[in-house]
Amino acid sequence: GAGVSQSPSNKVTEKGKDVELRCDPISGHTALYWYRQSLGQGLEFLIYFQGNSAPDKSGLPSDRFSAERTGGSVSTLTIQRTQQEDSAVYLCASFLDANTGELFFGEGSRLTVL
Amino acid sequence: GENVEQHPSTLSVQEGDSAVIKCTYSDSASNYFPWYKQELGKGPQLIIDIRSNVGEKKDQRIAVTLNKTAKHFSLHITETQPEDSAVYFCAASGGSYIPTFGRGTSLIVHP
Repeated sequence: GAGVSQSPSNKVTEKGKDVELRCDPISGHTALYWYRQSLGQGLEFLIYFQGNSAPDKSGLPSDRFSAERTGGSVSTLTIQRTQQEDSAVYLCASFLDANTGELFFGEGSRLTVL
Repeated sequence: GENVEQHPSTLSVQEGDSAVIKCTYSDSASNYFPWYKQELGKGPQLIIDIRSNVGEKKDQRIAVTLNKTAKHFSLHITETQPEDSAVYFCAASGGSYIPTFGRGTSLIVHP
């Protein structure tokens, strides 16, 4: 596709349920990021994938959060046993290379935990 | 790690006025400073960026300045228009290629 695609755009779930959020980056972009945007907050880094290297998971807030990237393309962010404080917009971005520096963001997945 | 502070959190101006948003960073190794604009319901989009080897960059009505010594950089928007209303984020990154973002500034341009 022309841009970064995220699904679902909206997800409402009950506390304690697991959720999966999907990101389809721009074709050819080797790096992929997940950020979290809570109400009134900035963009909180979660995880970074670069090519075949081990991902940088330093931003994941707890062991309930995990992410994988299959075949160097599509990524899935999984939140287990969701809590109300997990409610936020989860943004995915892809990145071509350091020469440009630009991150291309998707429109995000809005998660609401009741 | 890097820490980016952004001010103000909200900025209200009249159409045609100028708007200035300021950011400071903590890590002297940071060398890339982008600015993103986020419209309602959309993902952030890059509007301008600056690298540490220059002090100022301009693109039509927007400009960014960088003071490496003081570790601060600013976004300047001149002749503001209602369509400039959005949330603006500054960011800083270095060799890790993981940008650290500020908390955002909600810019409101009144017609």
